[in-house]
Amino acid sequence: AQSVAQPEDQVNVAEGNPLTVKCTYSVSGNPYLFWYVQYPNRGLQFLLKYITGDNLVKGSYGFEAEFNKSQTSFHLKKPSALVSDSALYFCAVRPNNAGNMLTFGGGTRLMVKP
Amino acid sequence: KAGVTQTPRYLIKTRGQQVTLSCSPISGHRSVSWYQQTPGQGLQFLFEYFSETQRNKGNFPGRFSGRQFSNSRSEMNVSTLELGDSALYLCASSWGTSGGGSSYNEQFFGPGTRLTVL
Repeated sequence: AQSVAQPEDQVNVAEGNPLTVKCTYSVSGNPYLFWYVQYPNRGLQFLLKYITGDNLVKGSYGFEAEFNKSQTSFHLKKPSALVSDSALYFCAVRPNNAGNMLTFGGGTRLMVKP
Repeated sequence: KAGVTQTPRYLIKTRGQQVTLSCSPISGHRSVSWYQQTPGQGLQFLFEYFSETQRNKGNFPGRFSGRQFSNSRSEMNVSTLELGDSALYLCASSWGTSGGGSSYNEQFFGPGTRLTVL
């Protein structure tokens, strides 16, 4: 069975500083990895995904993520945080043989302070 | 292009009642998935429907059921509501359900229905 871990419940960063939100995963076969963001009273918005190829994936709103197969990690990064980035971030994995079923991590709340 | 819509947005029920939630996917999308989001358990997969057939099911009791209509709209039903069923129920739609990382099954989420059970 697949699983996703987000070890930090909350990440605090000052505006303008780089941010990292951590994610590790466990899945048999090729990992298909995703990051989603959730703003208050909203559904999930897709940020980026890793399917294959380049380990550095670029996504929406200046976010990127680095896939590391040996460490089974898929950390979300942004070079310069904005206050508007404050939200709940979810990492997810989808196995190759499970249709559209996503397994999510517990979520990390990102707080960007001015 | 309209996004995924879910109705109602908010719902209050009492224990023992049943509830039906509705999801209208993006036009042309044939796959609809449902997720439950709670503070304690996080985001958990309920089930997925594609072309009116249930493709996958999560680890939820039989009180949770769903269906999909020929126009791809989906409903989920929870019978004999319990306090622990209070949650945000999210629906996601995609073109297909081939699994893996294909853009064919990129999922778009609706705003959710917040169910409160008293």
